[in-house]
Amino acid sequence: DAGVTQSPTHLIKTRGQQVTLRCSPKSGHDTVSWYQQALGQGPQFIFQYYEEEERQRGNFPDRFSGHQFPNYSSELNVNALLLGDSALYLCASGSGTVRFFGPGTRLTVL
Amino acid sequence: EDQVTQSPEALRLQEGESSSLNCSYTVSGLRGLFWYRQDPGKGPEFLFTLYSAGEEKEKERLKATLTKKESFLHITAPKPEDSATYLCAVPGQAGTALIFGKGTTLSVSS
Repeated sequence: DAGVTQSPTHLIKTRGQQVTLRCSPKSGHDTVSWYQQALGQGPQFIFQYYEEEERQRGNFPDRFSGHQFPNYSSELNVNALLLGDSALYLCASGSGTVRFFGPGTRLTVL
Repeated sequence: EDQVTQSPEALRLQEGESSSLNCSYTVSGLRGLFWYRQDPGKGPEFLFTLYSAGEEKEKERLKATLTKKESFLHITAPKPEDSATYLCAVPGQAGTALIFGKGTTLSVSS
């Protein structure tokens, strides 16, 4: 049984560009959440999708947007990248409160 | 305000030297406390969920306990392969988004 998968593994962008990260949840999970983890910090909640709608959002600007598809997979889009957006982006899926995380996408903004 | 605080930030142990990691939390109506293990550059790996004070869970050399204000992760006779960052998280009041502590980085030397 494949767990949560994310792509790409690493990504390098320049300031002002846009990026799309992708996530496939663990089989049987219908809820997908995205987290940002800066170096030396715990993950910070960005938003959560269920039934193709954003259900909860953390304290992140509108430059961060997402989408969930009918097969429960999800995308995270970040526009107008800033240097401070450099981080490990984690996708988590679950049913109920337990969350299982993917391997993450390391985004570097130059 | 919902908050999770972990201590110590870093812990160095000799192989076989038992110790405990602490996670204190402030949230109304606890709906679970989660422990994760994270290796460098990887996504968090789920370890335990605890739901009520007095509950205990064990996995190999790890045992997690929960009180009304804090949780402990006890590690007995650790091995070098137990070296990792251990993260604690709780769902916030507003929904199921997880609020993480900054983690405790454990280093076990042989």
